[in-house]
Amino acid sequence: DTVLTQSPALAVSPGERVSISCRASEGVNSYMHWYQQKPGQQPKLLIYKASNLASGVPARFSGSGSGTDFTLTIDPVEADDTATYFCQQSWNDPRTFGGGTKLELK
Amino acid sequence: EVQLVESGGGLVQPGASLKLSCVASGFTFSDYWMSWVRQTPGKTMEWIGDIKYDGSYTNYAPSLKNRFTISRDNAKSTLYLQMSNVRSEDTATYYCTRERTTRYFDYWGQGVMVTVSS
Repeated sequence: DTVLTQSPALAVSPGERVSISCRASEGVNSYMHWYQQKPGQQPKLLIYKASNLASGVPARFSGSGSGTDFTLTIDPVEADDTATYFCQQSWNDPRTFGGGTKLELK
Repeated sequence: EVQLVESGGGLVQPGASLKLSCVASGFTFSDYWMSWVRQTPGKTMEWIGDIKYDGSYTNYAPSLKNRFTISRDNAKSTLYLQMSNVRSEDTATYYCTRERTTRYFDYWGQGVMVTVSS
């Protein structure tokens, strides 16, 4: 299976820029997607196919990367962005998820 | 508004069977592939499998395909997950998701908890 590796946690101050990384154990082309999950809620799609903003998602969120290295950027970070962010690949079977990056606000 | 509402979870003994349901609304259910995804108490996410819009094809994570079966009833806009011979490691929140062409999940249900314990 394709293993997706994310940093476990990050802490940033409101107004700053934050980059959340996801590294794949093998190439996934541009088939990387990002989700936000707030405590007690279901995941919400943010970015699909590496860099496409999902409907209704603020333009503060952006995605980049291809192959094995991908980044979700939030600029500027707001207090409401406190959540866990997951990457997911769909190039290789089975589809797999990263372990999630918990974003905390200072 | 797209809505996915799961039901059927609860406490189940090891070795038993359980069937989860997901009722969809706000979109033409029969136009979309659908998937089940689960999240363990430790927050690990795992894709379980999906089903073609007409129910003619299913695809599963290899580790689960012998025990889990996905089906759908388009007349009822309902997706199902039949779980058999459940184990403690199946304890998780199970999400019903709508799947898009490049196999990402654009809508998720609120999730249903399944606890496997004696």
